Amino acid sequence: SYELTQAPSVSVSPGQTARITCSGDALPKKFAYWYQQKSGQAPVLVIYEDIKRPSGIPERFSGSSSGTMATLTISGAQVEDEADYYCYSAVIASSGNYQGVFGGGTKLTVL
Amino acid sequence: EVQLVESGGGLVQPGGSLRLSCAASGFNFRNFAMTWVRQAPGKGLEWVSSISGSDYTTYYADSVKGRFTISRDNSKNTLNLFISSLRVDDTAIYHCAKGGGIAAPGYMDVWGQGTTVSVSS
Repeated sequence: SYELTQAPSVSVSPGQTARITCSGDALPKKFAYWYQQKSGQAPVLVIYEDIKRPSGIPERFSGSSSGTMATLTISGAQVEDEADYYCYSAVIASSGNYQGVFGGGTKLTVL
Repeated sequence: EVQLVESGGGLVQPGGSLRLSCAASGFNFRNFAMTWVRQAPGKGLEWVSSISGSDYTTYYADSVKGRFTISRDNSKNTLNLFISSLRVDDTAIYHCAKGGGIAAPGYMDVWGQGTTVSVSS
């Protein structure tokens, strides 16, 4: 089955830049999406179509994609950004049907 | 304001079945794909199934194909997931999510808080 690969954890100090990566063979042709999930809460979309930011998401969140890797960057990370972050894409599975796929998630620690 | 409220979760024995529902409001329901995503205790997100907004095309994860059935009632702004032949590893919070467009599976831009399904003997 298709996979998106994320590092399990990233740690930064407040004010530093956090970069969370997601790799997958389909990413050169498929958009990546990023979700933030704080403890006990539902996920929130923070980046869509590789680089777009939904209304209400702080400008410090940005996305990029190059080749088989998509990156979520949090410039000047704040304590309230501490959360699990998941990348997502919709891909054609080996069965020939579209499926949604999440990366395994990256736990961001800001302290 | 977009709102998604799931219901129908509970404790069920292995091999049993449940019908999950999601009541949607605050947007033109028929114009958007809808998706179910689950999260097992302490684990990551898992895409389960999506349905398109207009022609009701459905998509399923390999892990649930043949056991789960997604459906929608555009007249009642309701999304459903019938889950059967339940296994212990189906234990999870099941989230309903609104699609970013009409085509499925697409992506999800707003999520509900979820309903909990526990499978145990």
